[in-house]
Amino acid sequence: QKEVEQNSGPLSVPEGAIASLNCTYSDRGSQSFFWYRQYSGKSPELIMFIYSNGDKEDGRFTAQLNKASQYVSLLIRDSQPSDSATYLCAVGFNDYKLSFGAGTTVTVRA
Amino acid sequence: DADVTQTPRNRITKTGKRIMLECSQTKGHDRMYWYRQDPGLGLRLIYYSFDVKDINKGEISDGYSVSRQAQAKFSLSLESAIPNQTALYFCATSDNGGANTGELFFGEGSRLTVL
Repeated sequence: QKEVEQNSGPLSVPEGAIASLNCTYSDRGSQSFFWYRQYSGKSPELIMFIYSNGDKEDGRFTAQLNKASQYVSLLIRDSQPSDSATYLCAVGFNDYKLSFGAGTTVTVRA
Repeated sequence: DADVTQTPRNRITKTGKRIMLECSQTKGHDRMYWYRQDPGLGLRLIYYSFDVKDINKGEISDGYSVSRQAQAKFSLSLESAIPNQTALYFCATSDNGGANTGELFFGEGSRLTVL
């Protein structure tokens, strides 16, 4: 079974701060990496995907991938109360099935 | 209207009953999936289908079966429900074209409680 581990939460950050979320995965053959956001009682929605080593920025979100260390992270800059949600790390393989981590719950304090 | 629709949204049933959760999509995707979500365990894959004639078991298929009635419809059945199948179930789709990023598009979820 392909394992995806996320740092345990919950993570509480003040408004305007940087929230840092971490994810490690067990299968070196993993090819695609995703961050989904899930608000309470809602379905997951994609916020970032990354395929290559390095950083990928989209607005206030930055995904970082290090395949040698089997590590992917998500940074949320200038955190807002609307960022309060559970963030799911997902790892994909060449057949496009995704394995998910358990999620990290983020609370942004106003 | 949602692109991926699940019915029912909520269901309470008793141990031993047969339950069917239905999923339909208007995204035109060939690939469809059923996941369950439990607190602290994340999303776990139950079954997936890459086209109408293709059905595959996921990591937790025991106690479940599926039917792919058409490209747009994928149903999940619990033949004899048990309490540890109480969970939030999500149907999802993904593209299989050249632009496939692997992104999953989720339905709104079906909350099942087995007493």
